[in-house]
Amino acid sequence: DSGVTQTPKHLITATGQRVTLRCSPRSGDLSVYWYQQSLDQGLQFLIQYYNGEERAKGNILERFSAQQFPDLHSELNLSSLELGDSALYFCASSELAWGTQYFGPGTRLLVL
Amino acid sequence: GIQVEQSPPDLILQEGANSTLRCNFSDSVNNLQWFHQNPWGQLINLFYIPSGTKQNGRLSATTVATERYSLLYISSSQTTDSGVYFCAVGSPNSGGGADGLTFGKGTHLIIQP
Repeated sequence: DSGVTQTPKHLITATGQRVTLRCSPRSGDLSVYWYQQSLDQGLQFLIQYYNGEERAKGNILERFSAQQFPDLHSELNLSSLELGDSALYFCASSELAWGTQYFGPGTRLLVL
Repeated sequence: GIQVEQSPPDLILQEGANSTLRCNFSDSVNNLQWFHQNPWGQLINLFYIPSGTKQNGRLSATTVATERYSLLYISSSQTTDSGVYFCAVGSPNSGGGADGLTFGKGTHLIIQP
């Protein structure tokens, strides 16, 4: 158990809908990262937050957004969902803005 | 952006065998991690090793940053070692910034009893 928690574990929704994925980092970690794993693209970095502020952006679509709250948990919002958004979404956390990243169990999203 | 290549893509071994997995990267890195993704999809952090050598039980890893490669050694393989092994790097020159990891495509390891 990495100490990073993600909810929900599974999510099934329809095209055009909006969903919110939640992540709680390890106790004491200030950075949260979001990654997407799909069969086509492999594991891709989406976005990083550090102590409430956006720090780095990767291959995140404009339909996706994220935020980190004062208690350091983070949410990833996916809107106008398409079939191709079906994937495993991971959250990771690290103590500082760099260093070892510890991954949560993931949220498996299926868009029908 | 930085490129990460892992080899071999697939590896089938008998229980008890040893193996070496390789990760080549195309630019300087300030973060390199090895992960094991088990059949349930969990990504387990094995090593944080941007340079040098580390050992943890039957696993060890070496990164030669100046030559841009890292090796993961698995000794006396067990069936529970099966899964996909990923190398991931963070580079100050990557498009996603210094802290987002760029993953290789992984090595799919199957250990047969």
